[in-house]
Amino acid sequence: ILNVEQSPQSLHVQEGDSTNFTCSFPSSNFYALHWYRWETAKSPEALFVMTLNGDEKKKGRISATLNTKEGYSYLYIKGSQPEDSATYLCASRTDYKLSFGAGTTVTVRA
Amino acid sequence: ETGVTQTPRHLVMGMTNKKSLKCEQHLGHNAMYWYKQSAKKPLELMFVYNFKEQTENNSVPSRFSPECPNSSHLFLHLHTLQPEDSALYLCASSQDPGVNYEQYFGPGTRLTVT
Repeated sequence: ILNVEQSPQSLHVQEGDSTNFTCSFPSSNFYALHWYRWETAKSPEALFVMTLNGDEKKKGRISATLNTKEGYSYLYIKGSQPEDSATYLCASRTDYKLSFGAGTTVTVRA
Repeated sequence: ETGVTQTPRHLVMGMTNKKSLKCEQHLGHNAMYWYKQSAKKPLELMFVYNFKEQTENNSVPSRFSPECPNSSHLFLHLHTLQPEDSALYLCASSQDPGVNYEQYFGPGTRLTVT
């Protein structure tokens, strides 16, 4: 993996359902993995910063895991609500630079 | 509100104009960043400043000129831009450029070059 890749590009989920999506990143020269939530017409908002293999972080109904050896992170949303509709960005940190993926856009249907 | 403000929110400029984007952070952070997001592309880092000193220039053309007069303010001076420079320009700040620090983003300036 040369770049940060996120899949799927977009997904629709029914309110109350859980979902997850993937961020893949180069495993060499890895320092940290960031997740951000970006709602339409707002600023990107930090969710998690993870650095250690096996890290798991949680904020409310959103959680994330990190595998630095194979270069991937999962973001989970449990019991999706309409306010979870946003684009979720991951970014891999090497040296001074954060390299972002293109994002996964989540739409929660009521 | 993230504590990072950007002005203007929208800007339309001709290719021969000179304009500036302004970013201000009220968080007491030491590092500030400029990012560019072109249509359907990931956020792309342009410049990094740490304690007012530029520490990263990600091969950005010289028609983009950053200025950081103090740790709270960051400018992006624009001159003789091209239509392909039309994009969303985001400013961000963090406690310092260290790996563990999350970045706080402004709302962005939507730039259109005609």
